[in-house]
Amino acid sequence: DSGVTQTPKHLITATGQRVTLRCSPRSGDLSVYWYQQSLDQGLQFLIQYYNGEERAKGNILERFSAQQFPDLHSELNLSSLELGDSALYFCASSVGRGPNNEQFFGPGTRLTVL
Amino acid sequence: QQQVKQSPQSLIVQKGGISIINCAYENTAFDYFPWYQQFPGKGPALLIAIRPDVSEKKEGRFTISFNKSAKQFSLHIMDSQPGDSATYFCAASIPIVSGSNYKLTFGKGTLLTVNP
Repeated sequence: DSGVTQTPKHLITATGQRVTLRCSPRSGDLSVYWYQQSLDQGLQFLIQYYNGEERAKGNILERFSAQQFPDLHSELNLSSLELGDSALYFCASSVGRGPNNEQFFGPGTRLTVL
Repeated sequence: QQQVKQSPQSLIVQKGGISIINCAYENTAFDYFPWYQQFPGKGPALLIAIRPDVSEKKEGRFTISFNKSAKQFSLHIMDSQPGDSATYFCAASIPIVSGSNYKLTFGKGTLLTVNP
């Protein structure tokens, strides 16, 4: 158990809908990262927050947004969902922002868009 | 280009054998190279990592070999065990924006199966 929690574990929804994925980082970790894992694209970095502020963006679509709250939990919002958004979404956390800060991954949320 | 190429896609090894997974990168700005292990239904977990100023790092049965001039690095699993069966991802970290933030770029993964 990495100490990172993600809810829900599974999510099934329809195209055009909007969903919110939630992540609670390990106690003491200030950085939160979101990743998308799919069979064709592999594991792709979406976005990073550090202590409530957005710090880095990866391959995140404009339909997707995220935020980190004062209690450091984070939410990833996915809107106008398409079939291709079906994937595993992972949250990871680390103490700091640098590369030597190990990222601890949560168990993921499996999103299925029908 | 911020791409990391990983091979092979899948690997089958007998118990006690050596598993070797290779990765190559293009961008010389990458400055940290971790390997992650992922079991079915779980998130990836850091296995071992290396910086480019070191040519080899060993932790137990796991060794990273790093060739800076060739822009290649590999994971060697000695005395492979059935419990090592998992998907392995290489990754590379690159500083972005002001340099105080980094992002990880992952290879596509290698599914390792160790037969008993």
